Amino acid sequence: AQSVTQLGSHVSVSEGALVLLRCNYSSSVPPYLFWYVQYPNQGLQLLLKYTTGATLVKGINGFEAEFKKSETSFHLTKPSAHMSDAAEYFCAVSQNSGYSTLTFGKGTMLLVSP
Amino acid sequence: DTAVSQTPKYLVTQMGNDKSIKCEQNLGHDTMYWYKQDSKKFLKIMFSYNNKELIINETVPNRFSPKSPDKAHLNLHINSLELGDSAVYFCASSHAGGNTGELFFGEGSRLTVL
Repeated sequence: AQSVTQLGSHVSVSEGALVLLRCNYSSSVPPYLFWYVQYPNQGLQLLLKYTTGATLVKGINGFEAEFKKSETSFHLTKPSAHMSDAAEYFCAVSQNSGYSTLTFGKGTMLLVSP
Repeated sequence: DTAVSQTPKYLVTQMGNDKSIKCEQNLGHDTMYWYKQDSKKFLKIMFSYNNKELIINETVPNRFSPKSPDKAHLNLHINSLELGDSAVYFCASSHAGGNTGELFFGEGSRLTVL
């Protein structure tokens, strides 16, 4: 079984400030971890993913996330927020076997103010 | 040229009616999915097909019946619609398995049951 917990349904930052969106996972086997972004009235788009190898992964639009096994976390960060980053962000987990599907967290809405 | 396209984008209907949502992907992927996103933005897998074969069927009422005429299409038919079926339905596709790869999502079909 696998699950994802995203702390905070809403996160507000000022433009130029650090963005930190938290994600903790539960998985009985080594997980694959993902962050997706959803802009209003659109489908989800992959930001970045961790499967194996380097634990710090870089994604699109300046985002990055670090897999910390000891903390079962995969927090998403960006050094400097931009107005265009305002969106819903979903953390997701899958297992490295067969047809495992993605299990999504409940999402975090990122609000960016001028 | 849209990678994963769903029709219709909006659907408003009465309780008890039957409706279908169509999905097509032109990415050459083997695996297609239907996800349901409720009013709180929570995403839950409904079905997964690989090369026209049903792989995953989560706990979904029998009123929901997916059909995959070929690996590029996955349609969703819903019988006897209920108020609780109101949601945004997302179609997605990926290479086989999908657990290590990226899911490509359509823009969603917003179903409103009155």
